[in-house]
Amino acid sequence: GQNIDQPTEMTATEGAIVQINCTYQTSGFNGLFWYQQHAGEAPTFLSYNVLDGLEEKGRFSSFLSRSKGYSYLLLKELQMKDSASYLCAVTDPKAGFQKLVFGTGTRLLVSP
Amino acid sequence: SQTIHQWPATLVQPVGSPLSLECTVEGTSNPNLYWYRQAAGRGLQLLFYSVGIGQISSEVPQNLSASRPQDRQFILSSKKLLLSDSGFYLCAWSGGLAGADTQYFGPGTRLTVL
Repeated sequence: GQNIDQPTEMTATEGAIVQINCTYQTSGFNGLFWYQQHAGEAPTFLSYNVLDGLEEKGRFSSFLSRSKGYSYLLLKELQMKDSASYLCAVTDPKAGFQKLVFGTGTRLLVSP
Repeated sequence: SQTIHQWPATLVQPVGSPLSLECTVEGTSNPNLYWYRQAAGRGLQLLFYSVGIGQISSEVPQNLSASRPQDRQFILSSKKLLLSDSGFYLCAWSGGLAGADTQYFGPGTRLTVL
């Protein structure tokens, strides 16, 4: 099966950099996703990592190490609107379809 | 571009009443469709997925059911709601013309069962 661990909550200051970690234990692996979810809203796609290394998209970057079962989401130049939950999800290759297993999410609070 | 719609946005239902939530996708063909539930303070739980019309697979045994009467329409139903059915219901799609693995979520339906 799949098991995903993320910190429950993090706080940071506007303009700072924050790193949200995700570790996973899986019986197989096809890729790792990061989603952002504002309170009361649906998750929105941020990034998808299949290979090891860093993927950069503007202020957001995502890193993957498949050998370590580890990923992180890096948010730079934090803004108040970045206050949200960040969900890590991994694919389950044994499912026979594009099944994602989600972590419980990390709630990020950005303060002025 | 592709868009996904869900309705209603919010719903308050008494225990034992029926349920019907609808999801439609525009701008793609033959998408994979998913129903998730997110209970308060918890992660996303996959309920059903569908790879084509009339093809439904259930992930969690419960009093809910799903149907896909048309290529881009996915319906979540219940004959008798339980208190534990309260939550945020999300429909998602992937694949289709884009052929990609990423799942994209609809705006969700917040269901409260009293």
